[in-house]
Amino acid sequence: GENVEQHPSTLSVQEGDSAVIKCTYSDSASNYFPWYKQELGKRPQLIIDIRSNVGEKKDQRIAVTLNKTAKHFSLHITETQPEDSAVYFCGASGGSYIPTFGRGTSLIVHP
Amino acid sequence: NAGVTQTPKFRILKIGQSMTLQCTQDMNHNYMYWYRQDPGMGLKLIYYSVGAGITDKGEVPNGYNVSRSTTEDFPLRLELAAPSQTSVYFCAGGQGDTIYFGEGSWLTVV
Repeated sequence: GENVEQHPSTLSVQEGDSAVIKCTYSDSASNYFPWYKQELGKRPQLIIDIRSNVGEKKDQRIAVTLNKTAKHFSLHITETQPEDSAVYFCGASGGSYIPTFGRGTSLIVHP
Repeated sequence: NAGVTQTPKFRILKIGQSMTLQCTQDMNHNYMYWYRQDPGMGLKLIYYSVGAGITDKGEVPNGYNVSRSTTEDFPLRLELAAPSQTSVYFCAGGQGDTIYFGEGSWLTVV
């Protein structure tokens, strides 16, 4: 089955800095890669996703890049703000629609 | 639409007791899932369903059972609760790639 590795487990940045979270996957058949943000005590919520026919996708301050050859994808957050502090999960799924998730990255943005 | 709704939100269970976590959705999702979340371990798939009457095991099914008699409901049953089942449980639903999570159920087994 699919295996998703996510790094780092904790990321601490100053407000205004950029943050990058990286994930690798094992199954070359995976073609959909979502990113979820989970605030403390809340449910995970989708913030951005990318499909395998696209190399990069942006939505305001967040962007995701995908390297299919290397089987890795990354989340980039620019101009971080304290409200970006949360746990971020990457996921990977293929045609089965059964996503596998990484272990999560705790992002801390210091004011 | 309420989306995916889970009950109860919090529950304390004694070792050996049984209980059912309820999950219902009003988005007409064919796919439904149960995940558990433990600190630093991410989201682990317990069971999933691709439609009414069809269920299948995920990565960590031991100690749990599910049923899917209707499209809307996907309850998770814990039999003979053990301390290792202390966790946060998330039900989710989806119609394709994207899945939507419920608010979570915090379960403590003592």
